[in-house]
Amino acid sequence: QQQVKQSPQSLIVQKGGISIINCAYENTAFDYFPWYQQFPGKGPALLIAIRPDVSEKKEGRFTISFNKSAKQFSLHIMDSQPGDSATYFCAGETSGSRLTFGEGTQLTVNP
Amino acid sequence: NAGVTQTPKFQVLKTGQSMTLQCAQDMNHEYMSWYRQDPGMGLRLIHYSVGAGITDQGEVPNGYNVSRSTTEDFPLRLLSAAPSQTSVYFCASRVTGGSGYTFGSGTRLTVV
Repeated sequence: QQQVKQSPQSLIVQKGGISIINCAYENTAFDYFPWYQQFPGKGPALLIAIRPDVSEKKEGRFTISFNKSAKQFSLHIMDSQPGDSATYFCAGETSGSRLTFGEGTQLTVNP
Repeated sequence: NAGVTQTPKFQVLKTGQSMTLQCAQDMNHEYMSWYRQDPGMGLRLIHYSVGAGITDQGEVPNGYNVSRSTTEDFPLRLLSAAPSQTSVYFCASRVTGGSGYTFGSGTRLTVV
């Protein structure tokens, strides 16, 4: 079963706009929630991550919002740029290092 | 540092053939994992290892074997290839207690 559900499947945003990708998880053993960015033909690369003891983490234009009680977290990309066009994956990781990914969101930022 | 190196980058197999996908990392990472990526399904964990001599199954282990004789290498073996194993395979590693996995560039496998 898919323990991490991600939406939307695809997203089109204008340059300068805000991109929002949402994830929901089931496994309460997850203690680390990373987001990965993947460009075509490349492997995923860690973008930003959060632990469940904080509600928000910001790195530059990228922000994770985390709601532990709702078991939901989201990625906000402010001032989206064409170079942000990629596939984004949320994930949950247990202390035993098992990483479970969401289905992915293909983001397109139009110039 | 080369990071995580996967070979080959592309492979076409006939049904029933066996092969080994190679993965090597030069970062002295204890944790290594294999994932397959299929459209609309994200990346699914096949097998993982928390150190040399220790391996465990992930979500989709059937049809695959792994071993971890050294810290650096974590090969994935397809025992008898099936069309359902057509996918892109990624190897990843990270240090114990570290944050985030480093992924290789992938192997695109087609089974005909």
